Order: sequence, then structure tokens, then C-alpha cells
Amino acid sequence: DVKVTQSSRYLVKRTGEKVFLECVQDMDHENMFWYRQDPGLGLRLIYFSYDVKMKEKGDIPEGYSVSREKKERFSLILESASTNQTSMYLCASSLRIGGYTFGSGTRLTVV
Amino acid sequence: KNEVEQSPQNLTAQEGEFITINCSYSVGISALHWLQQHPGGGIVSLFMLSSGKKKHGRLIATINIQEKHSSLHITASHPRDSAVYICAVFTGNQFYFGTGTSLTVIP
Repeated sequence: DVKVTQSSRYLVKRTGEKVFLECVQDMDHENMFWYRQDPGLGLRLIYFSYDVKMKEKGDIPEGYSVSREKKERFSLILESASTNQTSMYLCASSLRIGGYTFGSGTRLTVV
Repeated sequence: KNEVEQSPQNLTAQEGEFITINCSYSVGISALHWLQQHPGGGIVSLFMLSSGKKKHGRLIATINIQEKHSSLHITASHPRDSAVYICAVFTGNQFYFGTGTSLTVIP
């Protein structure tokens, strides 16, 4: 089975801190995604990547950046965390044709 | 505008009931996924469909490409089926998600 591992399950950070959320997949998937999930809004795409060093903005990229230096790792960076970035963050990976696997999520609270 | 619409948003059922969750989409797709999320938990992919019907245990997923519609059925529902079910479509280079259907199955 493909595994998508997110480094932290729960995280509390202060406003203005730089925050790194790490995601690692072990099945050589080309595509990796970062989403946030908020009540009533469903899943919203922040950034995605089709290949190493490649990134594309999703629906809500403002306040975020990403890094994909290796195929298996896709990092989401909050340059200066704000309270409106308190959310559940989900990483996913897929083959180019689909076959989508999610990580277990990171619940981030910014205080 | 929502590319993917799910109904109902919330659903409460008695144990043993047959359950249907519907998904309509407005974009051309190469695949449709049904996802399950338990409270506080991660998301599991239940099915990936591009045509027809798939069955896994008590779960059945169907898709009608011409009508741009998919249904997820749960037969003989059980309290452990209580979760949020999310429909997601893949266009070939992007995913779109429904906002989910929250299912509660009462013993």
C-alpha cells in the first residue's frame, strides 16, 4: 500500500512564526498536493507539484509556499503564520493518471 | 461556482438502512473518486471510477458519464459507517472536491 506520511498530527504555532509542514510518500508518485480543509468549505487546493522542483498554485496559495527538492517529499511553508491559517492540512499524492492517497492530516492551530 | 455538488449535506440513518449519496459534476473528467473521512482522522480513498460500477463489501459506487453523475450506496448500514463521504473528480490535471456528506448511522 502507498503511504503518505505527514510529519505532525497536531501543531500549535504563534502568529508570525515560520511553519514547515512535511509530507513524504513512498510509492514514487509523480503528483503531490497540499490541501486545507475547513468546516463548510470542504477541501481546497493550496499548491500542487507534478515533478521535482516543479510547483503550481492551487485555489488559495496566498500566504503559503512549497518546496519539492526530492520526488518523495513535498513541504508546505507558512512564511509568517496567521490565525486565519488555523486549519486541517492534508497532503496527498497520486500517479499521473489518478490513484489518489491522502496523508492523515495535520491540525494546525495558530495562536 | 462549484464544479462538484453533493447531496445530501447531512444524513442520519438507522442501522441496517440502505444509503445513497449523490454527486454531480460540471467538468470533463478522467476519473471520479469517493473518499471517506472519519472524525478526527485522515482520508481514505474508497473507489476510483471512470465508468460503470464498482463494489467493495457493502459499498457500491456507480457513475454515469453522460449525465455527469455518480452515486455511492451503502447496503446494510452500520454505525461504523458514520463518516464524511467526499466526491472528488480528476480532470486529467486537477482535482475538484465536493464539500462532503456527513453520515451518522444510529444503532
